[in-house]
Amino acid sequence: AQSVTQLGSHVSVSEGALVLLRCNYSSSVPPYLFWYVQYPNQGLQLLLKYTTGATLVKGINGFEAEFKKSETSFHLTKPSAHMSDAAEYFCAVILNSGGYQKVTFGTGTKLQVIP
Amino acid sequence: KAGVTQTPRYLIKTRGQQVTLSCSPISGHRSVSWYQQTPGQGLQFLFEYFSETQRNKGNFPGRFSGRQFSNSRSEMNVSTLELGDSALYLCASSPRRQGAGTGELFFGEGSRLTVL
Repeated sequence: AQSVTQLGSHVSVSEGALVLLRCNYSSSVPPYLFWYVQYPNQGLQLLLKYTTGATLVKGINGFEAEFKKSETSFHLTKPSAHMSDAAEYFCAVILNSGGYQKVTFGTGTKLQVIP
Repeated sequence: KAGVTQTPRYLIKTRGQQVTLSCSPISGHRSVSWYQQTPGQGLQFLFEYFSETQRNKGNFPGRFSGRQFSNSRSEMNVSTLELGDSALYLCASSPRRQGAGTGELFFGEGSRLTVL
């Protein structure tokens, strides 16, 4: 079945440390890939997206992600974590489901930033 | 440009009641999708409406229904509420159908439903 998998439901990093949130997808065709962020009591906000072209995508708030077709991965990184990065992050991919194209979300990763 | 607006933001109902949630998409957006978010299940797709027609539906019972009006505003209704329906209900709009174009979704802040 086509899907998107986020490894680790909770990730803790120290302030200033590297942030790495993992996402793997399963798709038989080149996918469109997204990362969204959700702050407490808010909706989701797009961080970045990969459609075509350059495989390293830069987003808002210093985040970036690299599309690796050979590894079917789209991991999210940030060189230095800030307290304001504490939130839940969702990887998403457009998949074909029952003949319809649909945005499918991973289960989310809660990022905790330790001072 | 105004964002996606969901009302009400918070509501409390009792088992057996019904609830209607409203979503006003970004101006010019014709697709409205609804999601249920719970701590245990994550984001679950409910349905998508485009040009007043339901285009896609998730795996939810018939108690969950929706509609879209000619101005693209959408409502979802849950009848005969159960305790397990307690969740954050998120609405997302996009200019085109899900999967078309670049696929980006624009989310509202959600309606938090508590069923007692």
